[in-house]
Amino acid sequence: GQNIDQPTEMTATEGAIVQINCTYQTSGFNGLFWYQQHAGEAPTFLSYNVLDGLEEKGRFSSFLSRSKGYSYLLLKELQMKDSASYLCAVMDSNYQLIWGAGTKLIIKP
Amino acid sequence: TAGITQAPTSQILAAGRSMTLRCTQDMRHNAMYWYRQDLGLGLRLIHYSNTAGTTGKGEVPDGYSVSRANTDDFPLTLASAVPSQTSVYFCASSDSGQNTGELFFGEGSRLTVL
Repeated sequence: GQNIDQPTEMTATEGAIVQINCTYQTSGFNGLFWYQQHAGEAPTFLSYNVLDGLEEKGRFSSFLSRSKGYSYLLLKELQMKDSASYLCAVMDSNYQLIWGAGTKLIIKP
Repeated sequence: TAGITQAPTSQILAAGRSMTLRCTQDMRHNAMYWYRQDLGLGLRLIHYSNTAGTTGKGEVPDGYSVSRANTDDFPLTLASAVPSQTSVYFCASSDSGQNTGELFFGEGSRLTVL
């Protein structure tokens, strides 16, 4: 079966760096997405990786290793507004998105 | 910019009743989707539409139906609601029928079936 694994919850300190991991087993691979979802709100797009390596976008970076079935989202200079759930999703060979359950990130002052 | 509008925002429904969740987008995206989000689970696709006039079943289609009469609207109907359909429902769209593009989500409709 297809599976996306990510930690249920993480805690970090304001101003610090946090890495959220995502591992996947899917039927084929056509890209990996990260979305941010604040409590009670809609998910919003953060990043898309289809090739191995690191994609940097401001304070957020996303890394992909297709051979390892692994990605991480790196958040730097954490702010209180970064408290949210972070969703990892993989597009399989049928171009269907398979979603992880999300990682709830708690930022403490 | 409105993007995607869902209605109602929340609803309490008696089991056995029917309900239609409305979804309208103003981005002229070809593809639209309905997901449900439950605690501890990833988003699960209910139905999708790659273009106006066509629809397809997702991972959890049973008990739900959709229509796509035009580009902008994609309503989701529960013909006879059951308590297991209590969930938060998100409508989304993308500008690629292949789902290779970014998804834009509505604000969600919280449905409680008693």
